[in-house]
This record gives sequence, structure tokens and C-alpha cells, in this order.
Amino acid sequence: KNEVEQSPQNLTAQEGEFITINCSYSVGISALHWLQQHPGGGIVSLFMLSSGKKKHGRLIATINIQEKHSSLHITASHPRDSAVYICGVALSNFGNEKLTFGTGTRLTIIP
Amino acid sequence: GAGVSQSPRYKVAKRGQDVALRCDPISGHVSLFWYQQALGQGPEFLTYFQNEAQLDKSGLPSDRFFAERPEGSVSTLKIQRTQQEDSAVYLCASRAYGTGSNGYTFGSGTRLTVV
Repeated sequence: KNEVEQSPQNLTAQEGEFITINCSYSVGISALHWLQQHPGGGIVSLFMLSSGKKKHGRLIATINIQEKHSSLHITASHPRDSAVYICGVALSNFGNEKLTFGTGTRLTIIP
Repeated sequence: GAGVSQSPRYKVAKRGQDVALRCDPISGHVSLFWYQQALGQGPEFLTYFQNEAQLDKSGLPSDRFFAERPEGSVSTLKIQRTQQEDSAVYLCASRAYGTGSNGYTFGSGTRLTVV
């Protein structure tokens, strides 16, 4: 049983399209993280959320604690946004803050 | 350094060989994590350090896996008698503790291939 589920697994879109990636989780959490992983590269932390909404440039992340659901949106998508986006949840914000991850969403933006 | 540094970036080991993977976290980061990422999967937790104390090693898959952080900075993940199923990317992450910092800083990972 996966505690963190992401959808879709793969997403291909045209440059400029609005992108939505979803993450659902089944356990109580203290925080949810969105990460970006480029092929052959490491992982970049995009957002940490415990409530509401955060925005950074063309990226927007929202979380609904009651529904145990989060979304990552990309506006005006660009080929350089092509990457795997991974959702991870933390059960505790202090002490052992280990993350449990989904399997990721592979995003491909076509020029 | 400015980020989390892992070495080597790539490691090919013959089955049965011992390997050691190094992680150099951001200076001053108290928390250090090791994750294992199989191809096409999300990372899975291996172990967690707070300074030099290994507080959680529940994710280590067998007693062939051993991690240490003797001085509370650099950490080494050692895998003894490697098996093919150990082939994966091993990620290290660090985080400042208790500061409400935004998130984790991950290294670029070590890709281990056991042949």
C-alpha cells in the first residue's frame, strides 16, 4: 500500500500549456514537499507546504489538509520544465523528518 | 560548501565487493539523510542522523548496509558484499534542524551499478 500516490505518472504537453500534477496521501502529515529531479542530476527542493498555497515564479503549490491532497501547477510551461516531479510527505517537522515519497510524475514539454 | 556533495558520482562494483559512498552536507546542517532510489521509483528512506547520532536506521535493507557520521559532518554509507539488487542511486540530503527552514538540500547522488 503506497502512502503517497501521484498522478499522472507521465505527462506530455506543448510549450505554454498549464500543467497540473497531483499528490494524494493517506497518513497524517506535518508537511508536504515538492521536488524536481532532472535526468542524471540530483533533486531540487521546490516547496515545503503545511497549509494553503505557495508561489515561486511560474510554479504554484497548493495543499488541502482535510482532503489529504496537494497539487503542483506550472504556468506557461517551457521545455526546461521537463523533469520528474516528486511529492514527499513528512510525518514530523522536528526530530526525524524523514520523507516518504511518491513514485514521481515524468513531465515532458514539447517545443 | 554551497551544496551537498556526494562522491563518487558513479560506481561500478563486482558482486561481492564492498563499496563506500561519501556525503558532505551543507556546513552546519544538523540533519542528514540517506535515501535509495531504484530506477523509475521515488527515493526510499534508509537512515537518519542528527549530528553524529544515528537516530533512525529502520530503512536499511539488510545488515550489509552500514552508515556513519562520526564527527557530525561528513557521512559514509557502506555496503558490504554488494548484490545486484543494491544497484540504485543513493541520495544524501541535509537540513538545518528546528529552524523552520524551507526544505531539504539534496546531493546529486551516487549511481551504483553492481555487475
